[in-house]
Amino acid sequence: LAKTTQPISMDSYEGQEVNITCSHNNIATNDYITWYQQFPSQGPRFIIQGYKTKVTNEVASLFIPADRKSSTLSLPRVSLSDTAVYYCLVGDVYNTDKLIFGTGTRLQVFP
Amino acid sequence: DTGVSQDPRHKITKRGQNVTFRCDPISEHNRLYWYRQTLGQGPEFLTYFQNEAQLEKSRLLSDRFSAERPKGSFSTLEIQRTEQGDSAMYLCASSPKEASGYEQYFGPGTRLTVT
Repeated sequence: LAKTTQPISMDSYEGQEVNITCSHNNIATNDYITWYQQFPSQGPRFIIQGYKTKVTNEVASLFIPADRKSSTLSLPRVSLSDTAVYYCLVGDVYNTDKLIFGTGTRLQVFP
Repeated sequence: DTGVSQDPRHKITKRGQNVTFRCDPISEHNRLYWYRQTLGQGPEFLTYFQNEAQLEKSRLLSDRFSAERPKGSFSTLEIQRTEQGDSAMYLCASSPKEASGYEQYFGPGTRLTVT
């Protein structure tokens, strides 16, 4: 099974760029990389998804190197409201065996 | 708002009672997922529907749990003979037909407390 590894926690200050890296050494050819954000007592929110290279939307960027064994979620100029847990998932829609959120990365943004 | 909705948002029940939760997915989303989340942990996958067909069930889903999606629209999750260990947040998510990875849209969840 594709297993992902991400830091348990990270701290940042408002206005800084935050990069959260996820390792997924056993990623399969059909797998996509998906990131979620979750605030306490809310359901996770889909942030971004990619297969290779770089993907950018209005919220974040996702960098995926050529070997696809890792990925980096980049949050530009974070604010206090970005304090949340971030989850990295790797898999494809037809395979729920890899649908594992784990404990994610707890990002704390300080003023 | 056309997001995923769940009802009720909170449920308190006594041990041994049955409870049923409802999930209304985003319209046109053909996939629907149920998860359970306990404090400090990420969501754990329970089961998955494509249209009205239940395609996957986690080993976490004991015989006391049953889910349905009768017409391929809303879904219900029933827990029979609730136990204190069932206390958790139950989350529903839906996914569009064209999704290729784990792009899902979650509802606000139903928080279950078993006393």
